[in-house]
Amino acid sequence: GQNIDQPTEMTATEGAIVQINCTYQTSGFNGLFWYQQHAGEAPTFLSYNVLDGLEEKGRFSSFLSRSKGYSYLLLKELQMKDSASYLCALRPGGGYQKVTFGTGTKLQVIP
Amino acid sequence: NAGVTQTPKFQVLKTGQSMTLQCAQDMNHEYMSWYRQDPGMGLRLIHYSVGAGITDQGEVPNGYNVSRSTTEDFPLRLLSAAPSQTSVYFCASSPGTDRGYTFGSGTRLTVV
Repeated sequence: GQNIDQPTEMTATEGAIVQINCTYQTSGFNGLFWYQQHAGEAPTFLSYNVLDGLEEKGRFSSFLSRSKGYSYLLLKELQMKDSASYLCALRPGGGYQKVTFGTGTKLQVIP
Repeated sequence: NAGVTQTPKFQVLKTGQSMTLQCAQDMNHEYMSWYRQDPGMGLRLIHYSVGAGITDQGEVPNGYNVSRSTTEDFPLRLLSAAPSQTSVYFCASSPGTDRGYTFGSGTRLTVV
């Protein structure tokens, strides 16, 4: 099985940088997703990491370390609209579509 | 493109009633999935499909059926609604194994 842990809530200041962590225990996986979900809305895809290392997409970056069972999402130059939940999810190696989600981290950006 | 369309957006059912949640995508995606989202529990996979005619169970399949007769449509049937099925249901589709899901806007279901 797969177990994914994320902090429940975080608060950060507009303009700052915030790192949202995701740790996991699994026997093997294909890759790790990050999704953003605003309150009352559907999740939207942010990133997919297969290889170890940092992948950057504008203000958002995602990092994966398979050996440490660890990923993080880095948000730079925080904006008020970044207030949302951030979901970490694993795609297993065998069942490509049995994607498992963590419970998410609710980020509040304050002025 | 409309993306992934779910209907209805809201539904109230009485215990024991059955209904079908509709999901359609116009992106020609092979992969489609149904998730439910409950407070504090995250998204949990109900059923998924890797192509027309092929479906499989996810983490919480009991009480739900699916079929995939076309690439576009992936309806979710509640056989006999129970209060434990009160949740927000999301349908999602993906073009491939290394691509993220596109989610529908969700169906908010209450079973009384």
